Amino acid sequence: SQTIHQWPATLVQPVGSPLSLECTVEGTSNPNLYWYRQAAGRGLQLLFYSVGIGQISSEVPQNLSASRPQDRQFILSSKKLLLSDSGFYLCAWRPLGGSYNSPLHFGNGTRLTVT
Amino acid sequence: EDQVTQSPEALRLQEGESSSLNCSYTVSGLRGLFWYRQDPGKGPEFLFTLYSAGEEKEKERLKATLTKKESFLHITAPKPEDSATYLCAVQASGGSYIPTFGRGTSLIVHP
Repeated sequence: SQTIHQWPATLVQPVGSPLSLECTVEGTSNPNLYWYRQAAGRGLQLLFYSVGIGQISSEVPQNLSASRPQDRQFILSSKKLLLSDSGFYLCAWRPLGGSYNSPLHFGNGTRLTVT
Repeated sequence: EDQVTQSPEALRLQEGESSSLNCSYTVSGLRGLFWYRQDPGKGPEFLFTLYSAGEEKEKERLKATLTKKESFLHITAPKPEDSATYLCAVQASGGSYIPTFGRGTSLIVHP
């Protein structure tokens, strides 16, 4: 069966420090991968998605970037964190291909607090 | 533009008091409608996919139904452990890789 791992679970970082959040998926090949941010009471905001290695699409211009160095690995990064980067970050995957009528499956998220 | 609106934003029930959550959507060709449950501090957990009007899916005390404009998540005789935020999302046709999510309904079930 497929599983998705996200780490760390919580992170406290000072303003101006770098960020690296990692997500890996097991048990599947060529997944579509997604990074979301969830603010309290504001729903899910899509940040990046990827349909293949090295293919990244950005949905919202911001202080963050994403990379996909391996098929099942998705990394969210920042060179210098801002206070507004605080939030709950979620990684998700879905099978590639077909008619995109399959659901996304989420990891357990990273709670990031920028101080 | 695809839109998903969930209501109510918050719902408080007594244990055993059945109710329904609503997900209204506007989409250009529905590929699928998804329901998720999210516990505090956790990622959303997939519950159901509905593909066409008239379809129903059940899991324990939950039943999801779908019409051409909305979906309902019926909760029968809820228990405190059903307390969570329930999210609805739609996947449109047209080649988009991105589902559209609603903001969720926060459900609290009191013992």
